[in-house]
Amino acid sequence: DTAVSQTPKYLVTQMGNDKSIKCEQNLGHDTMYWYKQDSKKFLKIMFSYNNKELIINETVPNRFSPKSPDKAHLNLHINSLELGDSAVYFCASSLMTSGVSNEQFFGPGTRLTVL
Amino acid sequence: DAKTTQPPSMDCAEGRAANLPCNHSTISGNEYVYWYRQIHSQGPQYIIHGLKNNETNEMASLIITEDRKSSTLILPHATLRDTAVYYCIVRVHPKAAGNKLTFGGGTRVLVKP
Repeated sequence: DTAVSQTPKYLVTQMGNDKSIKCEQNLGHDTMYWYKQDSKKFLKIMFSYNNKELIINETVPNRFSPKSPDKAHLNLHINSLELGDSAVYFCASSLMTSGVSNEQFFGPGTRLTVL
Repeated sequence: DAKTTQPPSMDCAEGRAANLPCNHSTISGNEYVYWYRQIHSQGPQYIIHGLKNNETNEMASLIITEDRKSSTLILPHATLRDTAVYYCIVRVHPKAAGNKLTFGGGTRVLVKP
């Protein structure tokens, strides 16, 4: 029944490693997002895909590469992890073609710790 | 998107109404007011949104002043589960702006028994 799911929930890794976070939504939405929440609790948009096409790409290091194999999935791959990448990463989805509401549904988050 | 100003924190008694203010004095005519909340260790959750008229749903009411420079989110009967950070976000209609949500610092609401 989970609407937006993320795996893993926790990820602890060493600096320099490459890791991926997966996101899946079963809401039939056509748009998916990645947000980053740092230690100061500020939430910032990173990427957004609509129908598998990139539509938002904020100022994010190119070590971060999103991949959307289909409308229901948006994965985030991070190369050469750095200490500053430690944060909680949230996936979200919405229906871009809906009427007025267009609210975003968020996943439970993935807490990434880089040692 | 217009900038918003919210008090950093507020307390509320369980069972009473919680009134959360938000100032958005630079709001444009085509910008909506959205409210989300984030309960500890969870993802943000949509609450309500409006353009000019007051809005109500099963979670809350949204009161927007006539000049649209400020709004108030009302939780009619606060429960302990309403303890969360509440975000007021002002933005153009999602289709025009790629649906990006820009979160500020929000208001940390603590509902006390």
